Amino acid sequence: GAVVSQHPSWVICKSGTSVKIECRSLDFQATTMFWYRQFPKQSLMLMATSNEGSKATYEQGVEKDKFLINHASLTLSTLTVTSAHPEDSSFYICSARAGTDQTLAKNIQYFGAGTRLSVL
Amino acid sequence: QKEVEQDPGPLSVPEGAIVSLNCTYSNSAFQYFMWYRQYSRKGPELLMYTYSSGNKEDGRFTAQVDKSSKYISLFIRDSQPSDSATYLCAMSAAGFQKLVFGTGTRLLVSP
Repeated sequence: GAVVSQHPSWVICKSGTSVKIECRSLDFQATTMFWYRQFPKQSLMLMATSNEGSKATYEQGVEKDKFLINHASLTLSTLTVTSAHPEDSSFYICSARAGTDQTLAKNIQYFGAGTRLSVL
Repeated sequence: QKEVEQDPGPLSVPEGAIVSLNCTYSNSAFQYFMWYRQYSRKGPELLMYTYSSGNKEDGRFTAQVDKSSKYISLFIRDSQPSDSATYLCAMSAAGFQKLVFGTGTRLLVSP
């Protein structure tokens, strides 16, 4: 149990275009999903927290107009990188946390496999 | 001072060795403690989680939490080359959704 699917695993795009990354919880309902960014040989940097049906909460320094997050259902969250530029190239990872009424352990985040974004 | 400190390594051991990975933390409110394994260019995979103090064992892995010392450990017995990865400790306080991560320790197990 506790499988999180992230798609695509790798995307290459031209500067100025937008890219959408999907994150799905396959076998549990994720009331909260998180989006991280990871630079080479560094730890995860939280970008935003999204609760189903609510606006995402962005961390300080993260441009919410550039990184659009939608969490429209209990199993799907999307991150759209708008007008991507080469400096947005990075490894993006989502995670999901189960609701309190489920059997999965609380406060545990389950991660997707990540998306490598390369902006040319 | 960071909330969670973790030696980045790399830690190099021969196959079959017992590996000890550690994190220290400063926030006494942390109650949930996790260890994740991350292979290169992959997402973190949950290995162990512990609530409050104590030990937990799962196969070759043992997690220990000492809240009095604000110190957590992950032991790997009979280490294998496939254990070569970066190990991240993570923790959170009750009621708080965010995880605070260590920087990760890179482990290299040589055949």
